[in-house]
Amino acid sequence: NAGVIQTPRHKVTGKGQEATLWCEPISGHSAVFWYRQTIVQGLEFLTYFRNQAPIDDSGMPKERFSAQMPNQSHSTLKIQSTQPQDSAVYLCASRDWGSYEQYFGPGTRLTVL
Amino acid sequence: GEKVEQHESTLSVREGDSAVINCTYTDTASSYFPWYKQEAGKGLHFVIDIRSNVDRKQSQRLIVLLDKKAKRFSLHITATQPEDSAIYFCAPSGSFNKLTFGAGTRLAVCP
Repeated sequence: NAGVIQTPRHKVTGKGQEATLWCEPISGHSAVFWYRQTIVQGLEFLTYFRNQAPIDDSGMPKERFSAQMPNQSHSTLKIQSTQPQDSAVYLCASRDWGSYEQYFGPGTRLTVL
Repeated sequence: GEKVEQHESTLSVREGDSAVINCTYTDTASSYFPWYKQEAGKGLHFVIDIRSNVDRKQSQRLIVLLDKKAKRFSLHITATQPEDSAIYFCAPSGSFNKLTFGAGTRLAVCP
């Protein structure tokens, strides 16, 4: 079991460019979550999917951020027209619906110059 | 929305002593109370959790106490070891899904 896989581990973009972050959940886990972590705001929930369907996106910034889960083996978080304030570590987690523990990936550190 | 506070940003204990990390929350609908650990340069790892139908849970050296009236829960680490040094986050939830994290408490276990 490789755990939750996130790629890339580090990404640097210029202001205004697009960034796509990838997450591969643990095989068999039906729920996928996205969070982000910054020094100032701490850990914040963004969105989650269950059985690939979006369930709660209450933490997603309304503009420029979108998330998808096209199949059970991966989810993507896309940020359009990146801004310096988007710089953060983006964490993906997955959960087996029969248990409560969320398993976190190592994160993608996004730096927007 | 839920507001979660960890009042101690840092905590230092001697190896072998007990450490207590506290967390308060505001949402009375919270029913699931996990703790996560983040070591330097690493991701978040689940430590222990408690559900609202009990007020105490123990797993080896870890004890979680829940006081629903005070909207407070705490993590007790007994017989601390150097490898317990990390940042600990509480993350209460009303649904087992959306976790609302505290700001974290950095625990240092000194030899």
